[in-house]
Amino acid sequence: AQKITQTQPGMFVQEKEAVTLDCTYDTSDPSYGLFWYKQPSSGEMIFLIYQGSYDQQNATEGRYSLNFQKARKSANLVISASQLGDSAMYFCAMRGGTDKLIFGTGTRLQVFP
Amino acid sequence: ETGVTQTPRHLVMGMTNKKSLKCEQHLGHNAMYWYKQSAKKPLELMFVYSLEERVENNSVPSRFSPECPNSSHLFLHLHTLQPEDSALYLCASSQAETGTGANVLTFGAGSRLTVL
Repeated sequence: AQKITQTQPGMFVQEKEAVTLDCTYDTSDPSYGLFWYKQPSSGEMIFLIYQGSYDQQNATEGRYSLNFQKARKSANLVISASQLGDSAMYFCAMRGGTDKLIFGTGTRLQVFP
Repeated sequence: ETGVTQTPRHLVMGMTNKKSLKCEQHLGHNAMYWYKQSAKKPLELMFVYSLEERVENNSVPSRFSPECPNSSHLFLHLHTLQPEDSALYLCASSQAETGTGANVLTFGAGSRLTVL
């Protein structure tokens, strides 16, 4: 069975600082993809970054980077230079061989001035 | 319009009502999804349509009935719901693909449903 675990219900970070949001996963599929989505209070899930299980390098998209540690089955999201607009829920998700995208319970990030 | 549009954004209904949620995508995708988001629970996949055929029905009660008349439109028909069905219902679309891959799901803003 596939599972995503996000152990941080909430995180606080000061503006302009970096923050790491944790995600661990469990799957028996040899090939899988890992995703991070952001959900602001408006409700829409916004795609941030993707990492394939065979990708050799960690994915980066602007201020977002994914710290992929395959042996530890972790896929942490790093946000550099936090902005007030980064305050939102953040969800880690995984797609394995079944092509179903499953989500963790999310982490609420609050950025303060 | 672009992206994935969901209507209505908010819906309040009694347990005996019949209503429908609508989702429309303008991205040229050929797979569409319904997810349920309840407080403090992971998003639950309800239904998947790929190339207008239902390929996933995740043990959803029959009081939820999906319809996909074409690759751009997806409906969720609701009847005799229960208060525990109150949640945010999210629609998403993507390119249909088997196996893993970076086919990203694009989500709508959701329909907030309250069942009295």
